[in-house]
Amino acid sequence: GQNIDQPTEMTATEGAIVQINCTYQTSGFNGLFWYQQHAGEAPTFLSYNVLDGLEEKGRFSSFLSRSKGYSYLLLKELQMKDSASYLCAVRDGSGGYQKVTFGTGTKLQVIP
Amino acid sequence: GAGVSQSPSNKVTEKGKDVELRCDPISGHTALYWYRQRLGQGLEFLIYFQGNSAPDKSGLPSDRFSAERTGESVSTLTIQRTQQEDSAVYLCANRPFAGGTDTQYFGPGTRLTVL
Repeated sequence: GQNIDQPTEMTATEGAIVQINCTYQTSGFNGLFWYQQHAGEAPTFLSYNVLDGLEEKGRFSSFLSRSKGYSYLLLKELQMKDSASYLCAVRDGSGGYQKVTFGTGTKLQVIP
Repeated sequence: GAGVSQSPSNKVTEKGKDVELRCDPISGHTALYWYRQRLGQGLEFLIYFQGNSAPDKSGLPSDRFSAERTGESVSTLTIQRTQQEDSAVYLCANRPFAGGTDTQYFGPGTRLTVL
C-alpha cells in the first residue's frame, strides 16, 4: 500500500516563500504529482516529478528525493489567490496498474 | 476539446436509496479514476479503470459501491442503500495513457448528500 503524509495547515504572508513537504512510502514508485484545489472546486495539476531533483515552473517549484521518499512544493512571491489546499499524490506502477493515491492535502492560508 | 463532465452536479437522496453517478471522460483518455472527498478532507481512491484490463477495485469501501465502464467511454458509480456517511463529493479523473508524465484531468464532481 501507500502512505502519504503532509502537514494539515500552513499560513504564510503575501509576497513570501512557503515550502510544503510531503513524505511517502510506496512499493512501486512511478511519479509524484502536486495539485492545487480551491474550496469547492476540483483539483488542478501543478507539477510532476519522477526523477530526483527540482522542477521549476514559474512561481512554483517541486523537488523529489526518491531515496528519502520525500518531496516538497515551493511557492514563491505568494499571492492571496494562492490560498488553497495543496495535494501531494503518488503513482504506484506495481502489478501492472497505475494507481494514484492522494495525501490529505495541506490547506495554505495567505495573509496580507 | 471538452473536458471531463460529471452528472448530476448535486444529488440529494434519502438514506437507503440507491444512486448512480455518471462520468463522461475526455475522448481517447484510456485511464479513469473515481475518488471520494469528504468535507475538508483529502481524496480517497475508490476504483481505477485502464482500457479493457480488470479494474483496480481496491479502494471501494464496501459492497454497496460498484462501478462500471464500457471500453473507454462513460463510467457509472453506483451506491446502493446509501448511508449518511456516503455524503461527499465524488470526483472522476481521466488520464490519456497508462504511464508517462501525463496528469489526471478532474471533472467538477458530484456532491452527494444523504439525508
